Amino acid sequence: QKEVEQNSGPLSVPEGAIASLNCTYSDRVSQSFFWYRQYSGKSPELIMSIYSNGDKEDGRFTAQLNKASQYVSLLIRDSQPSDSATYLCAVKTVGGGKLIFGQGTELSVKP
Amino acid sequence: KAGVTQTPRYLIKTRGQQVTLSCSPISGHRSVSWYQQTPGQGLQFLFEYFSETQRNKGNFPGRFSGRQFSNSRSEMNVSTLELGDSALYLCASSPVRGEQYFGPGTRLTVT
Repeated sequence: QKEVEQNSGPLSVPEGAIASLNCTYSDRVSQSFFWYRQYSGKSPELIMSIYSNGDKEDGRFTAQLNKASQYVSLLIRDSQPSDSATYLCAVKTVGGGKLIFGQGTELSVKP
Repeated sequence: KAGVTQTPRYLIKTRGQQVTLSCSPISGHRSVSWYQQTPGQGLQFLFEYFSETQRNKGNFPGRFSGRQFSNSRSEMNVSTLELGDSALYLCASSPVRGEQYFGPGTRLTVT
């Protein structure tokens, strides 16, 4: 079992729709959770971090964390073609700066 | 604040050679982590440095090494290059413990 799992996609949504990206992790002691966006040929860009159970909203983005289910999600409201990218889920465990990444979900927003 | 900088941005080397990559973190950030990104393996953690000390190490052979200087700048070195070392090498900086911000990366091609 991979430590961090994401659906590879591609996930295709129409412009203006809600895109839902999911991630599960295996290590129960994981404490910090991050979503990165990576455009083709670019480096990952941090878009959300979440540390406690529940929802965290930032503009059109909402991150959801359920530690009991070991599940993290990212919702993108009013999706735009510029949101088309690969979204990487990353998990940090106790004691240090090691991030464990999922394989990423490719999102395509169609005009 | 200026972001994370990495030099060089692109590099072509021959099998058997060695290479040194450089990373300057965001001002005030003391932790620097290195990652390797390939299409097949995704983003994988190499090592983390904090206050000139290696704090975490990923599952890579000893050919991969790094160091951090007193000004928090970091270098990583790969000796005896193999074709499989061709990848995007990413440096990320963070405050003492927190969110990681990536630099633009160094694209290494080994021929």
